Amino acid sequence: GAGVSQTPSNKVTEKGKYVELRCDPISGHTALYWYRQSLGQGPEFLIYFQGTGAADDSGLPNDRFFAVRPEGSVSTLKIQRTERGDSAVYLCASSWDNNQPQHFGDGTRLSIL
Amino acid sequence: AQSVTQLDSQVPVFEEAPVELRCNYSSSVSVYLFWYVQYPNQGLQLLLKYLSGSTLVKGINGFEAEFNKSQTSFHLRKPSVHISDTAEYFCAVSDLDGATNKLIFGTGTLLAVQP
Repeated sequence: GAGVSQTPSNKVTEKGKYVELRCDPISGHTALYWYRQSLGQGPEFLIYFQGTGAADDSGLPNDRFFAVRPEGSVSTLKIQRTERGDSAVYLCASSWDNNQPQHFGDGTRLSIL
Repeated sequence: AQSVTQLDSQVPVFEEAPVELRCNYSSSVSVYLFWYVQYPNQGLQLLLKYLSGSTLVKGINGFEAEFNKSQTSFHLRKPSVHISDTAEYFCAVSDLDGATNKLIFGTGTLLAVQP
């Protein structure tokens, strides 16, 4: 079966622009997580969805970051007024529920010029 | 709060030699423990996990890890490595009592297998 799919795989944009990153989880997985991985670091938690609701958004760095999951499947991470410090690989993971191992996508490499 | 320490940023090793990648964690509550592998330009793949039960956990690709509660460690081992094992390895914990079970990762260890 298909794994977690993230699009685009790479995104290059200018400082100040708006970007959307998409995550298509494994079918049937109710839990969905976003992480950010900066160069040379481990992934850092951003936000967790259980179904359609954001159950934990404590990892979002500021109010320029927002994520949605309107139908409990596909999720979109949105970043407004991008800054160079937002450059990183954004990883999405899903699991059957929050007590099961997480399966990761290949990530979106975001570069802010 | 939980944290994970991977003291070795890079471990060079010759092919067919044994290897140990070290991981120590800090937590005030019981945790699940994981090792993930990341190949270049790819996402993370689960190698193995410790949830409960036997402290020696076997995973994919011949890797195993041992949970040591008194030393708060979860070191990853393989008796004989291959060139194809060259990758970044991440140790992670999640909170057993938390509603989120978000993963807290270490900074990673690059395993560099040389012929």
